[in-house]
Parts: sequence; structure tokens; C-alpha cells
Amino acid sequence: GDSVTQMEGPVTLSEEAFLTINCTYTATGYPSLFWYVQYPGEGLQLLLKATKADDKGSNKGFEATYRKETTSFHLEKGSVQVSDSAVYFCARITGGGNKLTFGTGTQLKVEL
Amino acid sequence: DVKVTQSSRYLVKRTGEKVFLECVQDMDHENMFWYRQDPGLGLRLIYFSYDVKMKEKGDIPEGYSVSREKKERFSLILESASTNQTSMYLCASSSRLRGAHTEAFFGQGTRLTVV
Repeated sequence: GDSVTQMEGPVTLSEEAFLTINCTYTATGYPSLFWYVQYPGEGLQLLLKATKADDKGSNKGFEATYRKETTSFHLEKGSVQVSDSAVYFCARITGGGNKLTFGTGTQLKVEL
Repeated sequence: DVKVTQSSRYLVKRTGEKVFLECVQDMDHENMFWYRQDPGLGLRLIYFSYDVKMKEKGDIPEGYSVSREKKERFSLILESASTNQTSMYLCASSSRLRGAHTEAFFGQGTRLTVV
């Protein structure tokens, strides 16, 4: 079935460190892929998305590239800030479909 | 400003009670979703709806039902609440643009405790 697997957390980094959060998806259909973020005490909000192979989504210094050959959509940021501390969720929806499926989430803690 | 509104932020109910969680969106979205969020398990899809009166089971529908009588409102029903349904419940809505799914907008969540 449709699923998303992301790396377990928590991930703890120092400010200005490089961030990678891995995400892989099942290759059924032609999914659109998303990263959502949940800041402490808030609801989920869209961070970035990609709708087809080789697309790169980007926002707030975060990037993720839709890689069909490795069924991956890893989230990266070159220099994290304390304000990036949050839980990050990878998600997919099959093209033409309506079922939005999330990974288990990865908590990121950025320290000074 | 787009909005998905859930009727309660916190709810405490007794085992065996019938519980209604309400969600309203003001964006004229076709799709609406109910998830539960538990530590270590992420967001798990309970039910979703792609049109009025239409519903589809998600990954964990057991013990739940839903109702979508109007486009803007999607209700989650716990027929007989149990302690293992204590969780954070999140509602979301999204649209389709030229057949492609757009981003989902989430409500603030309802933290339900069943005692």
C-alpha cells in the first residue's frame, strides 16, 4: 500500500549545522510528495512540496528533491537555527488520489 | 486567512460515551481528513472524504465513523469511547487543482482524554 518511511528522531544539532532528514516512499502510482512542519504548540503547516520526479521543493532555506530512482525525498538545510526546532513530517498523495499519508515524524532540536 | 476550525481544543469523556468531534473549513475544499497523532506513531489516517456524503476508510478506521452532510463540515464519531482512543485528533482539508492535490490545511487539534 501507500506508505512513507522517515528516519527516527530526535535529531539534535548545533546551530549552523547541516541538516538531513531522510524520507522514502512506496512507489505505487505517481505520488506528490510533501514536507510538513509542526512547531511546538502549533498545528501542521506545509513546508515544501514536489509533484513529479526531479522536482525540487524549497522554502525557508529547506530543500528536498523528488528522486524516483531511489524513491526518496530527503529534507536538507545548509545551516539550521534554533527557531527550526520542530517536528518534521514527510507525506505523500497519489496523483489523482485523495489519500494523504504521513510518516511518523522526526523531531529536530537545534541548540546554541 | 484560510481556516480549519475544530470545535474543541480539549475534551474529557467517559468510557462508553458517544463522542462527536466537529471540523469546519471555510475554503470550499473538496477533501477533508481525520487523523490521530500519537507519540512515536506520527499521524495515522482514520477516515477521509472527497465529496459531500462520500467517505473512505483510512488506515485505522476501527471504532470510528464519520459524517459529511455539508461540504464545509466533517464530523468524527466515536460510537463508544474507549481509553485507547485517548489521543490528539487532527482535521485537515485540501483541494484539487487541475486534478492535482494542493496542500492540506490543518486545524489546531483536539486533545481527547477518555477516562
